[in-house]
Amino acid sequence: QKEVEQDPGPLSVPEGAIVSLNCTYSNSAFQYFMWYRQYSRKGPELLMYTYSSGNKEDGRFTAQVDKSSKYISLFIRDSQPSDSATYLCAIGKGFQKLVFGTGTRLLVSP
Amino acid sequence: EPEVTQTPSHQVTQMGQEVILRCVPISNHLYFYWYRQILGQKVEFLVSFYNNEISEKSEIFDDQFSVERPDGSNFTLKIRSTKLEDSAMYFCASRELDQETQYFGPGTRLLVL
Repeated sequence: QKEVEQDPGPLSVPEGAIVSLNCTYSNSAFQYFMWYRQYSRKGPELLMYTYSSGNKEDGRFTAQVDKSSKYISLFIRDSQPSDSATYLCAIGKGFQKLVFGTGTRLLVSP
Repeated sequence: EPEVTQTPSHQVTQMGQEVILRCVPISNHLYFYWYRQILGQKVEFLVSFYNNEISEKSEIFDDQFSVERPDGSNFTLKIRSTKLEDSAMYFCASRELDQETQYFGPGTRLLVL
């Protein structure tokens, strides 16, 4: 079983739509969860960081963690064409390496 | 806003040659990482480095790879004898001592011919 699973997409939505991106993980020892955005041929850019189950909001972005189901989500409200990118979930424990999902490619059309 | 920088942005090399990829982490960060991303695949951990020694490495990080902090600002990844399968984007990341969030550089695209 893979440590982190993420649907690769692509996910195509019209501008203004609410986007839901998801990851599942297998090891309950993981403690913190991050979402990175990666534009083509660029480095991952940190979007959200969460530690506990529940929701965390930052502008149009909401990160949701359900540790009991080992399920994490990123919601984007009022999506914009500039949100078109690959979204990577990453999980970690302690101060060790991050384990990444494969990334979901999002396309927001005007 | 401080950021991780990496040089070169692109490197083309012949199989069997040595390459050194350079990173300048964020100045007050003390943990450093190298990850790689083969085209179309996920970001994979290579090695972490703290207090002038490797703290964790993956199975990918074999004897052909080495890391060094040659001075107070640079962090390098050396591949001694490159193989075709080393072609990838290599990302450097860094974090503060007591924070889990890692900040990534823009990457070096390595092409081995």
